Amino acid sequence: GDSVTQMEGPVTLSEEAFLTINCTYTATGYPSLFWYVQYPGEGLQLLLKATKADDKGSNKGFEATYRKETTSFHLEKGSVQVSDSAVYFCALSGSHGSGNTGKLIFGQGTTLQVKP
Amino acid sequence: NAGVMQNPRHLVRRRGQEARLRCSPMKGHSHVYWYRQLPEEGLKFMVYLQKENIIDESGMPKERFSAEFPKEGPSILRIQQVVRGDSAAYFCASSPQENSPLHFGNGTRLTVT
Repeated sequence: GDSVTQMEGPVTLSEEAFLTINCTYTATGYPSLFWYVQYPGEGLQLLLKATKADDKGSNKGFEATYRKETTSFHLEKGSVQVSDSAVYFCALSGSHGSGNTGKLIFGQGTTLQVKP
Repeated sequence: NAGVMQNPRHLVRRRGQEARLRCSPMKGHSHVYWYRQLPEEGLKFMVYLQKENIIDESGMPKERFSAEFPKEGPSILRIQQVVRGDSAAYFCASSPQENSPLHFGNGTRLTVT
């Protein structure tokens, strides 16, 4: 079945460092891809998304490009801040043409810790 | 516009008791999803409901778990005869229509002692 694999955390960086969190997926169709962020004690917030190959999603300085050839959707940010410390989840949906992007398959999450 | 409201935030139950988790979707949202997050894992889809209808319950355990979304009032996730393995964070999400992005609540953290 469909699945999402993320790099294991925690990822610890100094402020202003470059961030990459790897995400690869397995899907039989053409899924939409998402990155969600979860701050401590809160629910998930949609960070960015891409719905087709070569699309680039971006938001708040984060970006990710839908790479069909490598089945990847890596999250990047050029200069992280302490406030970016959170758990980041990669997810996919809609690979079977159902069109329902609410039924998401999540990766296990990657904890990011940014130190001043 | 209030976000997705879940209550309680924390729920402690002894083995064998019942747990009821409530979710009020955002105003204007008629699609509700429940997800479960076990410790150190990502969220797993449980059930998708629209008003008064269960659309997809493929992620819901066959026994002890049920969900409803009545015409009036919040969506309820009910777990009967809880066991320690039910301890998890349960998240509700809502959307105004099927292909819209989800808005998540802050979750209910269930602890079974």
